[in-house]
Amino acid sequence: SQQGEEDPQALSIQEGENATMNCSYKTSINNLQWYRQNSGRGLVHLILIRSNEREKHSGRLRVTLDTSKKSSSLLITASRAADTASYFCATANNAGNMLTFGGGTRLMVKP
Amino acid sequence: GAVVSQHPSWVICKSGTSVKIECRSLDFQATTMFWYRQFPKQSLMLMATSNEGSKATYEQGVEKDKFLINHASLTLSTLTVTSAHPEDSSFYICSAREGGWQETQYFGPGTRLLVL
Repeated sequence: SQQGEEDPQALSIQEGENATMNCSYKTSINNLQWYRQNSGRGLVHLILIRSNEREKHSGRLRVTLDTSKKSSSLLITASRAADTASYFCATANNAGNMLTFGGGTRLMVKP
Repeated sequence: GAVVSQHPSWVICKSGTSVKIECRSLDFQATTMFWYRQFPKQSLMLMATSNEGSKATYEQGVEKDKFLINHASLTLSTLTVTSAHPEDSSFYICSAREGGWQETQYFGPGTRLLVL
């Protein structure tokens, strides 16, 4: 299976609720990044967390990284309908020559 | 944040045609550019990595003679799909990175290719 696998594959919530997505990876990394992709569009970079960091915040986003478990989570608080998109985690290896994407979580926020 | 553009956004072509896709970093110099392919409802798959002035490094299973990459300047990389076939229809996305591996990659909006 590929590096960077998201869980769940699909998530449907009501506006105002929190959404949590998880990402697991297999090999050592330099950093892990989360991206959002609206249907048929390019990727938007959300947040980067380095391997020596445990938590980062950006607005309504909170990302955690547990290198011992090789996992990360993305929490979107107080979700909005506009948050509906696919969310991908991507891991950057230590050689710096590759960013590997997981399968993504499709989030639907119902108004 | 940094902006990466792609041109064209959409292209429809006949089988056998060669298609060139441009990727530009608009407000920074990209030492490294990446090309990805994404099939519907699937994740991005890295095709190749290119450093300015050097030959691209292709991922396993990606034909270098089929997907020609040129990174002639610090702001422009091109991907040419040669003799395109229907199975090449996909969403092609480039990304660019200004510095070393610890820096963020910025993604272009993607180019949708449909080969008839």
